[in-house]
Amino acid sequence: KAGVTQTPRYLIKTRGQQVTLSCSPISGHRSVSWYQQTPGQGLQFLFEYFSETQRNKGNFPGRFSGRQFSNSRSEMNVSTLELGDSALYLCASSIGGVGEQFFGPGTRLTVL
Amino acid sequence: AQSVTQLGSHVSVSEGALVLLRCNYSSSVPPYLFWYVQYPNQGLQLLLKYTTGATLVKGINGFEAEFKKSETSFHLTKPSAHMSDAAEYFCAIVNQAGTALIFGKGTTLSVSS
Repeated sequence: KAGVTQTPRYLIKTRGQQVTLSCSPISGHRSVSWYQQTPGQGLQFLFEYFSETQRNKGNFPGRFSGRQFSNSRSEMNVSTLELGDSALYLCASSIGGVGEQFFGPGTRLTVL
Repeated sequence: AQSVTQLGSHVSVSEGALVLLRCNYSSSVPPYLFWYVQYPNQGLQLLLKYTTGATLVKGINGFEAEFKKSETSFHLTKPSAHMSDAAEYFCAIVNQAGTALIFGKGTTLSVSS
């Protein structure tokens, strides 16, 4: 069974640009969560989607948004990038809830 | 509010020595607890989990953890460290809504020969 895949793996952007990251969950998993990982703040929850509906959102500004498609694939978008958005963005999928999440390798975003 | 505290951001052991990584949690509801491991440039891999039932939980790669409600702890142990265990370890708890994981700050484990 294929694991969680994330594309791209690495991304370099400049301040003010926007970026879209993609996540394909494990087949059959309907819940997709996104996390931001930075050295200073650690792992922080961004949002979670289940069957195309956002069920929960972390404490991030509105520049961070996401969506989920009918095939459970998910995208997250960050608009008006700031230097502080440089981070590893991790996607995780699970069958129904957060109980046991499987993580992808992450997308490393660098904002210059 | 729920929270996770990992005591010690860095732990160093010798190969063959006991590994003990500490995790304390705060939760107003019965917790679901997890330990994840992260190797450089990779995502997180689940080591073990506690939901209900037996309080001593065995995971992959010889790791185990014991849920102690009275101490609000979920420490991770391994009897004998291997060089390949060098990584960052995260303790996590499911939030009260059951919709997100709350992670500790992580503990970097170094193993020397």
